[in-house]
Amino acid sequence: GAVVSQHPSRVICKSGTSVKIECRSLDFQATTMFWYRQFPKQSLMLMATSNEGSKATYEQGVEKDKFLINHASLTLSTLTVTSAHPEDSSFYICSASGGQAYTDTQYFGPGTRLTVL
Amino acid sequence: RKEVEQDPGPFNVPEGATVAFNCTYSNSASQSFFWYRQDCRKEPKLLMSVYSSGNEDGRFTAQLNRASQYISLLIRDSKLSDSATYLCVVRGNFNKFYFGSGTKLNVKP
Repeated sequence: GAVVSQHPSRVICKSGTSVKIECRSLDFQATTMFWYRQFPKQSLMLMATSNEGSKATYEQGVEKDKFLINHASLTLSTLTVTSAHPEDSSFYICSASGGQAYTDTQYFGPGTRLTVL
Repeated sequence: RKEVEQDPGPFNVPEGATVAFNCTYSNSASQSFFWYRQDCRKEPKLLMSVYSSGNEDGRFTAQLNRASQYISLLIRDSKLSDSATYLCVVRGNFNKFYFGSGTKLNVKP
């Protein structure tokens, strides 16, 4: 159980294009989804937290107009990197949490490696 | 002060060794505790939850000390495949998770 998928796994795009990444919880309802970014040899950095049906909460320093998050259903959240630039190249990972039981935790998708040329 | 702190390592140990990682957290109201492992260029994967009574899963033992606000992970009989970065994760109020920066383990033949 607790499987999270992420698509696409890898994207290479030109500077200025927008990229959409999908995150799905396959076998549970994710009341909360998280989006992270990780640069090589660095820690995970939380970008935003989204709850189904409401606006995402962005971490300080993350531009909400650049990183659009939609959490339209209990099994799907999307991250759109708008007008991507080379400095946006990174490993983007989503995670999902049911948020109910005290032992509940986050389950991560396999990540999307974005390269902006 | 960071919410969760870990020794970044790396810990370089021979196969068969026992290695222990510690992690401290700052919020005494934290509710749940976990260890994840992350392999290079992969996503973190849940290794085990950490309970107040301590818990064991094969060669892995996790313990929680609420009074001192630290969590530990013990790996016995290290295998080459245990080489990874181990992340300490604490869940606070409002489903907010705090990640340590990770401890890198290298198990050598």
